[in-house]
Amino acid sequence: AQTVTQSQPEMSVQEAETVTLSCTYDTSESDYYLFWYKQPPSRQMILVIRQEAYKQQNATENRFSVNFQKAAKSFSLKISDSQLGDAAMYFCAYRSALREYGNKLVFGAGTILRVKS
Amino acid sequence: GAVVSQHPSWVICKSGTSVKIECRSLDFQATTMFWYRQFPKQSLMLMATSNEGSKATYEQGVEKDKFLINHASLTLSTLTVTSAHPEDSSFYICSAPGRYYEQYFGPGTRLTVT
Repeated sequence: AQTVTQSQPEMSVQEAETVTLSCTYDTSESDYYLFWYKQPPSRQMILVIRQEAYKQQNATENRFSVNFQKAAKSFSLKISDSQLGDAAMYFCAYRSALREYGNKLVFGAGTILRVKS
Repeated sequence: GAVVSQHPSWVICKSGTSVKIECRSLDFQATTMFWYRQFPKQSLMLMATSNEGSKATYEQGVEKDKFLINHASLTLSTLTVTSAHPEDSSFYICSAPGRYYEQYFGPGTRLTVT
């Protein structure tokens, strides 16, 4: 079974600074999808960024970018120019490309990000 | 983007009663939906996969008779917590698969059992 590990329960960043959230995963598959979701205090889950394992290029969405290291099974999220609105719990998630697993997501434990003004 | 709604957003019920939570995909069809449970400051725990027109698939350890799931149409799945007890108090979230392998989440339902 696949597992996702987020080793940082909490992180803090100064407004306008850059922060990196770590995520590692364990799988024997070669094709899969990785995601970062944000859950602000409203508790609405919001997709931040996605990465297909077959793509070598790291995904980028405005201030959010990932460092995808397939061999190391690492998928970190970098937030540049941090804003107060970035304060949230961030979840790393894995989705198998195999049909037998359906569309299930495997989540990490989450990292609480605090942004200081 | 795809929108998933949930109703109600917050419900308080008395111990021993049943409560139904609705999950709707508003602008797309979903043959599959997922139900999660989340405790404060913890991750999402998958409870079951809701399948349109067939039985739900429950994760190990989830009581099928307590958490009844019905996926009656391509846009609606319901979770009924039967004979609710205070330990069932939690935040319940539904989701539906998107076009690009992601999932879209509803806003969640806070259940409080007194």
